[in-house]
Amino acid sequence: IQLTQSPSLLSASVGDRVTLSCKGSQNINNYLAWYQQKLGEAPKLLIYNTNSLQTGIPSRFSGSGSGTDYTLTISSLQPEDVATYFCYQYNNGLTFGSGTKLEIK
Amino acid sequence: EVQLVESGGGLVQPGRSMKLSCAASGFTFNNYDMAWVCQAPKKGLEWVATISYDGSSTYYRDSVKGRFTISRDNAKSTLYLQMDSLRSEDTATYYCARHGYKGYYFDYWGQGVMVTVSS
Repeated sequence: IQLTQSPSLLSASVGDRVTLSCKGSQNINNYLAWYQQKLGEAPKLLIYNTNSLQTGIPSRFSGSGSGTDYTLTISSLQPEDVATYFCYQYNNGLTFGSGTKLEIK
Repeated sequence: EVQLVESGGGLVQPGRSMKLSCAASGFTFNNYDMAWVCQAPKKGLEWVATISYDGSSTYYRDSVKGRFTISRDNAKSTLYLQMDSLRSEDTATYYCARHGYKGYYFDYWGQGVMVTVSS
């Protein structure tokens, strides 16, 4: 399954509601996770199984979706959220999206 | 606290071998499937290989089949990746990662180790 993330670059202001998209080439059956990777760091799990928040992750992060279309939402963007975000599917094979780089405007 | 600490990276010539290690602590290692994930410089993430909790099953991405071998020593809580016949396109940061308990995502990652394949 190929994953297409959009946009590839997103610039938003502190406090904005931000939505990142991930689209699969086939049905993902909700086996989708989201990762945050800050510069020079390892990826960090944010969301698994489409909408389950990993322990310790702030509640401003949420996930939704079904079928081939999935979304990561940050309800109120914070400066520390600057990072690249990757989606990842584990329904058929194990593949990552190409990432969305999130910047502060 | 879950910790995964990789070691063994560096510069290696094309065609040669290298072995990576990942020391795990803070959890019951032999309860979890484990994996290696790589990231080429300024590129995205790619799953490389997975080994089951007891070492009985292994899985590889096509590009490394027959060249890389994932293994584990549960007595030492250590994961390994033996990389043979290395190519320039294997140049990447390699992360050790733990598979989740509720699905085949990765819930914890090591800090990564750089492998550079160049003459």
